Amino acid sequence: EDQVTQSPEALRLQEGESSSLNCSYTVSGLRGLFWYRQDPGKGPEFLFTLYSAGEEKEKERLKATLTKKESFLHITAPKPEDSATYLCAVDTDKLIFGTGTRLQVFP
Amino acid sequence: DVKVTQSSRYLVKRTGEKVFLECVQDMDHENMFWYRQDPGLGLRLIYFSYDVKMKEKGDIPEGYSVSREKKERFSLILESASTNQTSMYLCASSGPGTSRNTQYFGPGTRLTVL
Repeated sequence: EDQVTQSPEALRLQEGESSSLNCSYTVSGLRGLFWYRQDPGKGPEFLFTLYSAGEEKEKERLKATLTKKESFLHITAPKPEDSATYLCAVDTDKLIFGTGTRLQVFP
Repeated sequence: DVKVTQSSRYLVKRTGEKVFLECVQDMDHENMFWYRQDPGLGLRLIYFSYDVKMKEKGDIPEGYSVSREKKERFSLILESASTNQTSMYLCASSGPGTSRNTQYFGPGTRLTVL
């Protein structure tokens, strides 16, 4: 069965303290992996798409990487405004979402 | 920029009522989706549509129906609302082809069924 697991469930960071979020997956045919950011009470906002192992994408303090079994979202020197839930989704013939990592960044 | 709008941000209904949730996208996307999001369960696909008047069941279609009469509009219908349908409902759209294209989400409708 296709499955997507995100860890940790929650992460508390001090402002400037870099860290990584993990998205591991077991799927029969990966067509792509998506990262979204979701603020409380709002819809997910698209961040990145990765299609093949070794691929990397960057946006401001965020960098997403992909291997054959997992993806990492690296957050460098985070700020309080980076606080949100980060979702990953794997594209097989439909999107399968993880349950997200809730990130809190404190000043 | 892609814009997906949903008719209501918050909705309160009573058990047994018929509920309509509307979604409109302005990017001429072929594909539209309805999800529900519950704590600890993530996003689950209810229905999707690849074309006007076309619909496909997702993972949890029971108790729901959909309508797509125009390309830009996708409606989710709760025929007889029940308390276990209290949830956040999210609409999304994507471009040509299958779901391999990026899905863009609306702001969500928080539905409470009393």
